[in-house]
Amino acid sequence: AAGVIQSPRHLIKEKRETATLKCYPIPRHDTVYWYQQGPGQDPQFLISFYEKMQSDKGSIPDRFSAQQFSDYHSELNMSSLELGDSALYFCASTTGVSSYNEQFFGPGTRLTVL
Amino acid sequence: SQQGEEDPQALSIQEGENATMNCSYKTSINNLQWYRQNSGRGLVHLILIRSNEREKHSGRLRVTLDTSKKSSSLLITASRAADTASYFCATVIQGAQKLVFGQGTRLTINP
Repeated sequence: AAGVIQSPRHLIKEKRETATLKCYPIPRHDTVYWYQQGPGQDPQFLISFYEKMQSDKGSIPDRFSAQQFSDYHSELNMSSLELGDSALYFCASTTGVSSYNEQFFGPGTRLTVL
Repeated sequence: SQQGEEDPQALSIQEGENATMNCSYKTSINNLQWYRQNSGRGLVHLILIRSNEREKHSGRLRVTLDTSKKSSSLLITASRAADTASYFCATVIQGAQKLVFGQGTRLTINP
């Protein structure tokens, strides 16, 4: 079965550079969530989209923006990168906005900021 | 963590023994979910228990939920070396869909 695809899997950037992370949800999933997991930390919710509209927002810095496109894939844009942005970034997808729908996680993008 | 804590933070047991991990949370929830993560890799959904359920089983996994104490436990029976991973509980609070994760328990199964 098709899973959530994230690209790239690994990304190395310098401070103050920009990065774009991509997420391709499972086919027919219309809801995407982004989570950030720092080293040794639990995943923290950043932002979510349902039917191409932002549905919820968490602890996402103003330097970050995200959107969901007409084909339901989502991109997380990160600017003015800081050392503290080094983390695993997960995307998860599901259908609809029910609280009981399982979120299927992608393998993550490991971002390293030097 | 925003929502809860897990206990213990690390657990090391012998293969074949049972492993119990606990999770506490702060606010009213719709459901609680348990995830597994191998070192630095993706999150794998293990089980979901709704707020009106008290116990749920899936294979060697048993999850309990006590909403009066705002706590949950995950029991892995007859542990195997391949169960070595970090285990996170995550809650979905009422009126929301996002997952709020606990701090995780790092489980090591010694062969």
